[in-house]
Amino acid sequence: DAGVTQSPTHLIKTRGQQVTLRCSPKSGHDTVSWYQQALGQGPQFIFQYYEEEERQRGNFPDRFSGHQFPNYSSELNVNALLLGDSALYLCASSFRLWQGAGYENYGYTFGSGTRLTVV
Amino acid sequence: SQQGEEDPQALSIQEGENATMNCSYKTSINNLQWYRQNSGRGLVHLILIRSNEREKHSGRLRVTLDTSKKSSSLLITASRAADTASYFCATEPPTFSGGYNKLIFGAGTRLAVHP
Repeated sequence: DAGVTQSPTHLIKTRGQQVTLRCSPKSGHDTVSWYQQALGQGPQFIFQYYEEEERQRGNFPDRFSGHQFPNYSSELNVNALLLGDSALYLCASSFRLWQGAGYENYGYTFGSGTRLTVV
Repeated sequence: SQQGEEDPQALSIQEGENATMNCSYKTSINNLQWYRQNSGRGLVHLILIRSNEREKHSGRLRVTLDTSKKSSSLLITASRAADTASYFCATEPPTFSGGYNKLIFGAGTRLAVHP
């Protein structure tokens, strides 16, 4: 059973360019979240997609946008790249389950990440 | 901003010794999770402990949670060189309407286990 697949693994872009990162979630998962991890730091939440809509967003500018497709796969787009956007971008998939009092996310599974370098 | 803070930032031990890492957080949580990351690659889920639990075990791992002190600890017993990695705690806040949630990570503890 394949886990979370991210592509590409490495990417080098020039300041001002645009980039698209891709993520295929684990089989059976319906929710995709994206995280940015700067060198030496913990991951920071960018946003979460469920049913093809952005459901939650972290403290990131509008240059960061995303999309989720009917097959649950997702893309992360970053426009007008800055040097500070250089980081490891991680995709995590999970599934929502009704727990009586409300929905909860289960089974967080992370991909191996895309290392983005902006020069 | 990151909610969790791990302590120590770095830990160096010999094979066979136990490794203890601590995590503190600031707000209420639904659960707390520990992850391992090798050489800046993907995160591997280790263990999840719910806010109403105090201790959980998984193989050589033991996690405790003290919600009154807003802290957790991860103990790795009989460590091996293969345990060398960065370890992160992540908190999931209480789930509000709709059940959409996120993980809030600390900065991690870098563990080095020497043969």
